Amino acid sequence: AQTVTQSQPEMSVQEAETVTLSCTYDTSESDYYLFWYKQPPSRQMILVIRQEAYKQQNATENRFSVNFQKAAKSFSLKISDSQLGDAAMYFCAYTPPWAGANSKLTFGKGITLSVRP
Amino acid sequence: DGGITQSPKYLFRKEGQNVTLSCEQNLNHDAMYWYRQDPGQGLRLIYYSQIVNDFQKGDIAEGYSVSREKKESFPLTVTSAQKNPTAFYLCASSRRALNTEAFFGQGTRLTVV
Repeated sequence: AQTVTQSQPEMSVQEAETVTLSCTYDTSESDYYLFWYKQPPSRQMILVIRQEAYKQQNATENRFSVNFQKAAKSFSLKISDSQLGDAAMYFCAYTPPWAGANSKLTFGKGITLSVRP
Repeated sequence: DGGITQSPKYLFRKEGQNVTLSCEQNLNHDAMYWYRQDPGQGLRLIYYSQIVNDFQKGDIAEGYSVSREKKESFPLTVTSAQKNPTAFYLCASSRRALNTEAFFGQGTRLTVV
């Protein structure tokens, strides 16, 4: 079974600084997809970034980038130039590449990020 | 506007009563999911459905039931058998191939009184 682990429950960053959120996962699949979702205080889940396992290049979306280490099964999120609006809970998620009956989206426990002004 | 709608936003239930949470999407998505969110527990999968008239148990299905009679609707019933139902419930949908983004509703906060 696939598992997603986020071992840091909380992190804090100074505004304008850079922070890295860690995530590891376990799977026997060679191809899969990884996601980072953001949940602000409104509790509306928002997709931050997506990584396809067969792509070696790390995904980037503006100030957000990932460090995808397939062999280590590690998928960390780097937030550059942190802003107050980045304060939220961040979830790492995994999904297999196939869309069969047992295909599902698995989440980690999340990490609460606070941004200090 | 296309999206996924959960209702109600807040729900109160007396112990021993069943209650149904609504989830509707107009995104033409095949897959729909129910997650439960508790502090420190992250998102735990209750039930999911990849196609109409078919659904699978997730990691914490005991005390819950679902139906998928229509593509756009995936209601969740919290039964009296659920020992600790007070939680925040999130519904999501996606295209059947999960390499695409999952869209989430705004959630329902259920409190047992």
